Amino acid sequence: EDQVTQSPEALRLQEGESSSLNCSYTVSGLRGLFWYRQDPGKGPEFLFTLYSAGEEKEKERLKATLTKKESFLHITAPKPEDSATYLCAVQAETGGYQKVTFGIGTKLQVIP
Amino acid sequence: DSGVTQTPKHLITATGQRVTLRCSPRSGDLSVYWYQQSLDQGLQFLIQYYNGEERAKGNILERFSAQQFPDLHSELNLSSLELGDSALYFCASSHDSSSYEQYFGPGTRLTVT
Repeated sequence: EDQVTQSPEALRLQEGESSSLNCSYTVSGLRGLFWYRQDPGKGPEFLFTLYSAGEEKEKERLKATLTKKESFLHITAPKPEDSATYLCAVQAETGGYQKVTFGIGTKLQVIP
Repeated sequence: DSGVTQTPKHLITATGQRVTLRCSPRSGDLSVYWYQQSLDQGLQFLIQYYNGEERAKGNILERFSAQQFPDLHSELNLSSLELGDSALYFCASSHDSSSYEQYFGPGTRLTVT
């Protein structure tokens, strides 16, 4: 069964204090790994897709990287508006079917 | 704004009842996905439709069903509702069936009393 584990569950940072969120996965037939941002009571907002080990993508203060077993979301000099829950998801193909599995998320709080 | 619309925003109903949630995908998107998000289980994939046909199935209960219509909007039907069905239900859309980038709607909050 496909598994996605995110750590830590919660993270509190001071404004400007850089850190990384981890997403480890166990899937067969990986097609892609996604990062989403979710604000309370709202739908997830797409951030990145990574397809293969070694790939990196950046958007403002966020940088996502991928290895064969995990992905990191690096947050550089975060601001309070970066506070949200960050979700990782993997898409895998099994028996001709494609399925997306989400992790529980990391709740990030950035203190001014 | 992702361009995905969902109605209603909130729904309160009693156990044993049946409800229908509606989703309109972004313009040009052919795939629609349904997810359930509860506090203790995170985001759970339910089902995917692509251009009117079922494409993938996740942890969807037999009491739940969905369909995608010719105009590409989708409906999720939940029947014989139980207290445990209370959750946020999200619809997402993507351009094709590969779902590499999904855009989520604002969700429908279902409360079963």
